[in-house]
Amino acid sequence: KNQVEQSPQSLIILEGKNCTLQCNYTVSPFSNLRWYKQDTGRGPVSLTIMTFSENTKSNGRYTATLDADTKQSSLHITASQLSDSASYICVVRPNDYKLSFGAGTTVTVRA
Amino acid sequence: GAGVSQSPSNKVTEKGKDVELRCDPISGHTALYWYRQSLGQGLEFLIYFQGNSAPDKSGLPSDRFSAERTGGSVSTLTIQRTQQEDSAVYLCASSPSGGPAYEQYFGPGTRLTVT
Repeated sequence: KNQVEQSPQSLIILEGKNCTLQCNYTVSPFSNLRWYKQDTGRGPVSLTIMTFSENTKSNGRYTATLDADTKQSSLHITASQLSDSASYICVVRPNDYKLSFGAGTTVTVRA
Repeated sequence: GAGVSQSPSNKVTEKGKDVELRCDPISGHTALYWYRQSLGQGLEFLIYFQGNSAPDKSGLPSDRFSAERTGGSVSTLTIQRTQQEDSAVYLCASSPSGGPAYEQYFGPGTRLTVT
């Protein structure tokens, strides 16, 4: 069973609107959680990183939250742009180098 | 500076043939990883190299898969006698070290199609 579950699998939003992506994980022990953005045909690029003690982290129009008690994270995209169309991947890291990847949420922003 | 590069970007091969995929990590990065990304699945760990240490091959799905890293830099992932289920995007990543604080930087991937 995958230790990182993301929802929704995909979503379509209109340009300028906001959206929130969810990530639930069971990975333990926990070192950090990253959200990656993966454009079509490209490798994933890190957007945010949060450790156990951090509740929120922003990177421009991207805001990630983390509740380490419930093992849930979210990524909020504000005022979406066409360039936000991509796959967003939640990645949880234990205390070693083996990352646990969610399957990703595919976001499509339409004009 | 230059990021992680991979070649080829796309590879179509016939079932039963061998393929080699190449990864050039960021200069100075001692840690190198290979992952496989199948449609609708999360990235799957294949193998990890750290400096001169023995690689962690625990993620390789079968003995048809092998990888090497020469001179602590370039890495090659080899798949022998390819099968259709090997079709996927193969991603390489590198980081300054293998510790949890270090971000892994990904290459663009090689899309492998086995016909």
